[in-house]
Amino acid sequence: DAGVIQSPRHEVTEMGQEVTLRCKPISGHDYLFWYRQTMMRGLELLIYFNNNVPIDDSGMPEDRFSAKMPNASFSTLKIQPSEPRDSAVYFCASSFSRYSTDTQYFGPGTRLTVL
Amino acid sequence: GDSVTQMEGPVTLSEEAFLTINCTYTATGYPSLFWYVQYPGEGLQLLLKATKADDKGSNKGFEATYRKETTSFHLEKGSVQVSDSAVYFCALRDQGGKLIFGQGTELSVKP
Repeated sequence: DAGVIQSPRHEVTEMGQEVTLRCKPISGHDYLFWYRQTMMRGLELLIYFNNNVPIDDSGMPEDRFSAKMPNASFSTLKIQPSEPRDSAVYFCASSFSRYSTDTQYFGPGTRLTVL
Repeated sequence: GDSVTQMEGPVTLSEEAFLTINCTYTATGYPSLFWYVQYPGEGLQLLLKATKADDKGSNKGFEATYRKETTSFHLEKGSVQVSDSAVYFCALRDQGGKLIFGQGTELSVKP
């Protein structure tokens, strides 16, 4: 399996622009997670999906952030409008189940810089 | 709520030194515990895990034992290599499936 795939790997944009991050989970995994990593706050869970349905979006920082999962093999995280404080590395992860014993597998991340 | 606390870094060691990175947790219920490693410029990779008390996870010479009585999951390696230089994250996965991470510990191994 190719693992979790994310694109782009790097994104540089200007404040106010729309940014879309993409993720393809591991085939057969029913759970998909979006995380943000910053020096100040570490790794934070933003939202997660089960069978394409958002289950918990309590970590989404504000209305400028939205996430969708139109099918089992694709998810997007959109920021509109972007701000410099959104600069971070965004990770997508997937797992087969929600059981605590199950492993989450991470993608390589998207490094976002908002100027 | 559930939380994970790791020793602060950076940790700098000479090659072949013994490594310990402390990790303690607070959780309701019976979480599973994980160590992830992040090499420079890369994503997180699972290093090892333990799913119940007294379990020992091991991989690539690293070990950690799930200690319920001390709520700890310390990472150890008997002889580190330069290639082990990375950031190490302790995490717990709660009953609802969420992963909760510690703040990460940067390890630098010098030749």
